[in-house]
Amino acid sequence: LAKTTQPISMDSYEGQEVNITCSHNNIATNDYITWYQQFPSQGPRFIIQGYKTKVTNEVASLFIPADRKSSTLSLPRVSLSDTAVYYCLVGDPLSGGYNKLIFGAGTRLAVHP
Amino acid sequence: NAGVMQNPRHLVRRRGQEARLRCSPMKGHSHVYWYRQLPEEGLKFMVYLQKENIIDESGMPKERFSAEFPKEGPSILRIQQVVRGDSAAYFCASSPPQGDSYTGELFFGEGSRLTVL
Repeated sequence: LAKTTQPISMDSYEGQEVNITCSHNNIATNDYITWYQQFPSQGPRFIIQGYKTKVTNEVASLFIPADRKSSTLSLPRVSLSDTAVYYCLVGDPLSGGYNKLIFGAGTRLAVHP
Repeated sequence: NAGVMQNPRHLVRRRGQEARLRCSPMKGHSHVYWYRQLPEEGLKFMVYLQKENIIDESGMPKERFSAEFPKEGPSILRIQQVVRGDSAAYFCASSPPQGDSYTGELFFGEGSRLTVL
């Protein structure tokens, strides 16, 4: 599984757009990029997954440049309820090792009024 | 469709006692994973199981920890002779069998918080 690097923490204010970038220089050809969100005292929750270019759902967008060595999770117009830890994971869902889904320390996002 | 159910949500044990944590996966899910999370840290993989089989236990301490996922009933994570360092949140996750729409997404429970006095 590719190692990922993301900022330890970020601060934002309500209504702003937040972009969290994750570096994964050793990403392999079959690897996908997946982001999870974890609220305090809860289990992580899947947010979005992508392979290349841009993916958008009702919660977030994921931007992946052509070289795929990084990715950016974009949260539009954050609210206080978006305060959470965000984890970036990289791996091939069909490989045996993916089952371990290595979670790093994640990025602690604090949204202020 | 109920989510992943873990119990107990909170468990207090004294040093030397045993802790048993239970996890019922989502309906139709045949894969179960256990993770441990220390305060202010990320989740650390412990073990991956399918029904009646341990597939990968490389993240589980060799001593005192065991896991099972029987043919009937929930998956159990068992910690014998607990020590203070075992205090953590233990999360269970499940995933469906691989198929056409498989993404590798894990569905997590709310966790079981173990406190060792």
